[in-house]
Amino acid sequence: QVRLVESGGDVVQPGRSLTLSCAASGFSFSDFGMHWVRQAPGKGLEWAAVIWYDGTNKNYADPVKGRFTISRDNSKNMLYLQMNSLTADDTAVYYCARGVGGRDLDYWGQGTLVTVSS
Amino acid sequence: QSALTQPPSVSGSLGQSVTISCTGTSSDVGSYNRVSWYQQSPGTAPKLMIYEVNNRPSGVPDRFSGSKSGNTASLTISGLQAEDEADYYCSSYRSGITWVFGGGTKLTVL
Repeated sequence: QVRLVESGGDVVQPGRSLTLSCAASGFSFSDFGMHWVRQAPGKGLEWAAVIWYDGTNKNYADPVKGRFTISRDNSKNMLYLQMNSLTADDTAVYYCARGVGGRDLDYWGQGTLVTVSS
Repeated sequence: QSALTQPPSVSGSLGQSVTISCTGTSSDVGSYNRVSWYQQSPGTAPKLMIYEVNNRPSGVPDRFSGSKSGNTASLTISGLQAEDEADYYCSSYRSGITWVFGGGTKLTVL
């Protein structure tokens, strides 16, 4: 079955960097585009970034553009999100989700919590 | 990048039907049939309930249905059950290779 497992969440100080990982299994990872979506405590879902199945195309939501970088390693079935210049507004549970085209964002991981605080 | 507009809350009695609306623009809901609906219970990840406006993944009860008219999509849950109580989010592809979510609707089953 499809499984997505995020890791890397932590408490970090404002201005610092953090990299999240998402391990995929149960499907042909290299055939699917992938997303990062975040959810601030008590708030709604916010789309953050997308990467095409082969990594050739990427895009970001305005709040993270220029600070976050999405990447993938299809040989390891891994998705990443490098986050720089973190602020308190980036505090959220970060989910990875599968799917671009057709069934967009059809499977989600359990999420990893990033807390930005001094 | 403004979110899609959903009512903050809806409620319905056991066995009744409720409809949750999701209003976007001509850049997202109005132009693409890539509207999805997600159910999220507290402390859990979102679960896909409807994709491409009106398609149900396997395992989702047929009590859940979706539709779209113009810039507004809707999720209808018929025969409400206690386990349907949750937060519901719509999402849509938006031009420029981005996605957008609604603010979420809390469904209370009375």
